[in-house]
Amino acid sequence: RKEVEQDPGPFNVPEGATVAFNCTYSNSASQSFFWYRQDCRKEPKLLMSVYSSGNEDGRFTAQLNRASQYISLLIRDSKLSDSATYLCVVNWGNTGFQKLVFGTGTRLLVSP
Amino acid sequence: NAGVTQTPKFQVLKTGQSMTLQCAQDMNHEYMSWYRQDPGMGLRLIHYSVGAGITDQGEVPNGYNVSRSTTEDFPLRLLSAAPSQTSVYFCASSPLGLTSYEQYFGPGTRLTVT
Repeated sequence: RKEVEQDPGPFNVPEGATVAFNCTYSNSASQSFFWYRQDCRKEPKLLMSVYSSGNEDGRFTAQLNRASQYISLLIRDSKLSDSATYLCVVNWGNTGFQKLVFGTGTRLLVSP
Repeated sequence: NAGVTQTPKFQVLKTGQSMTLQCAQDMNHEYMSWYRQDPGMGLRLIHYSVGAGITDQGEVPNGYNVSRSTTEDFPLRLLSAAPSQTSVYFCASSPLGLTSYEQYFGPGTRLTVT
């Protein structure tokens, strides 16, 4: 099993649609979880952290299910500018320093 | 603040050549790291550093060396380039603490080894 697994997509959706991505991770000791966004030929940038209680940032909602070891990202009212690759990222360690494991990413294409 | 800068942006090497990829950050971050990104593989950690004078290996360290003589700079050296090292290389930095912080990535270096 891959350490962090994502559906590569692409997900093709029209503007205004709601789309959800899932990510599973294999290390049950993982402590921190993130979604990063990566535009074509650019560096990854943090979209949002994922908290146990779930969290929302505008049109974006992230959920964590520790029992099933998966993380989700929901995007409502999709915009053309949301087209990008979304990376699921898990902090593998519990010692306080960064040991991040990246998924391969899910590509989203939003069309007019 | 310039954030994290990387040079060069693009590089073509012949097999066996050596070179250094430069990375610098102006945010006074203790933690710095190098990743490579290949199609279908995700970002993989090459080396990382938790402060000046301290470095350690990541997931794919073979063929690469690093040093951290200052907080700001974290160069990555390819000892003898191989075609398998064709990739996009990202440097990242973040504060160091008890919880995970946002990683700030540089714009990347696209390396081709022929």
